[in-house]
Amino acid sequence: EAGVTQFPSHSVIEKGQTVTLRCDPISGHDNLYWYRRVMGKEIKFLLHFVKESKQDESGMPNNRFLAERTGGTYSTLKVQPAELEDSGVYFCASSQGSGGYETQYFGPGTRLLVL
Amino acid sequence: AQSVTQLGSHVSVSEGALVLLRCNYSSSVPPYLFWYVQYPNQGLQLLLKYTTGATLVKGINGFEAEFKKSETSFHLTKPSAHMSDAAEYFCAVPRGGNKLVFGAGTILRVKS
Repeated sequence: EAGVTQFPSHSVIEKGQTVTLRCDPISGHDNLYWYRRVMGKEIKFLLHFVKESKQDESGMPNNRFLAERTGGTYSTLKVQPAELEDSGVYFCASSQGSGGYETQYFGPGTRLLVL
Repeated sequence: AQSVTQLGSHVSVSEGALVLLRCNYSSSVPPYLFWYVQYPNQGLQLLLKYTTGATLVKGINGFEAEFKKSETSFHLTKPSAHMSDAAEYFCAVPRGGNKLVFGAGTILRVKS
């Protein structure tokens, strides 16, 4: 069974540009999460989809970030326009169930550098 | 408010020595606890998790952790470190639904 995949693995862009990150969850997983780790900081939750609906987006930093999950399959996270402080590693995870104790399976992350 | 605290951002052990990585949680969090590991240039991988039942949890690669409610701790141990254990380790709890709150991480270095 394929794991969570993310694309691209690395992205280097200039301040003010737009970047779109993609996540493909494990097939059949209704839950999809985005997390971010800024250098030197903790891994922080960004948002949670259940199928195509945003269940919780309390961790989204500001309105420059837009996440979508059309059709309840893959998800995209767009940053527009990118700022220097957006640099970090963006992780996607997926899980099945809603009890709070389900294992979240993580992708390898996208390393974003904004210059 | 921080839900989990990992003591020690860096831990160094010799190959073959005991590995002990510390995690304390806030008493208000649900009794579900996770340890994840991130090997260099890879994503996070679940090592083990505590949900209910037995307080000593065994995970992959010889790791285990014990849930101690009286001490609000969930320390990760391995009797004998191997070079391949060098990685960053994260303690985490679910909060406000399914989202995970992570500790700051502990980088484990294994010396030959």
